[in-house]
Amino acid sequence: IAGITQAPTSQILAAGRRMTLRCTQDMRHNAMYWYRQDLGLGLRLIHYSNTAGTTGKGEVPDGYSVSRANTDDFPLTLASAVPSQTSVYFCASSVGQGNTGELFFGEGSRLTVL
Amino acid sequence: GQNIDQPTEMTATEGAIVQINCTYQTSGFNGLFWYQQHAGEAPTFLSYNVLDGLEEKGRFSSFLSRSKGYSYLLLKELQMKDSASYLCAVRDPTGGYNKLIFGAGTRLAVHP
Repeated sequence: IAGITQAPTSQILAAGRRMTLRCTQDMRHNAMYWYRQDLGLGLRLIHYSNTAGTTGKGEVPDGYSVSRANTDDFPLTLASAVPSQTSVYFCASSVGQGNTGELFFGEGSRLTVL
Repeated sequence: GQNIDQPTEMTATEGAIVQINCTYQTSGFNGLFWYQQHAGEAPTFLSYNVLDGLEEKGRFSSFLSRSKGYSYLLLKELQMKDSASYLCAVRDPTGGYNKLIFGAGTRLAVHP
């Protein structure tokens, strides 16, 4: 089934540890995104990538890094996790320019930093 | 900066009609989206408006007034499965072409 796959679905992590959330899409979409969702705050954009080889910062990029080596993969790395990074993380993709801009979301990764 | 406001919670009765409002103040505008998100699941696309007026899609309709910075999502013939959060999002035209800024969402509870 075509779509976006995120891993892990859930993780408990000690503060200070490094963590990479994986995201893979098989729709050949140009653009990919990472959002975090916190109660009462809605979805906030962390980083985005318009095409392979390019990335950009969103609303809340501090403490996170991304890479886009190819079209399909867009991993999100927390270099040294802190408790405020406890959240649900959603990866998304879209075709890119020339369409309505509909985002397709993965099922989310629930991260708890202790 | 961007500011998107929508009510935090709403309740409605099965079979009824409910209107969820969204107001926005943004430096630029290039389209407004509505997404549905059931608890513990991913958001899914409902509607898109870029011009003023009403877009109808089955039981769901979305309205936009760019001059007023206002949109609403209208849900007709409510069903229990419509209990979910509804997210209003504005496309940010600066930088990345498809960056969406989301409101905090409206949690709708449909009761019998």
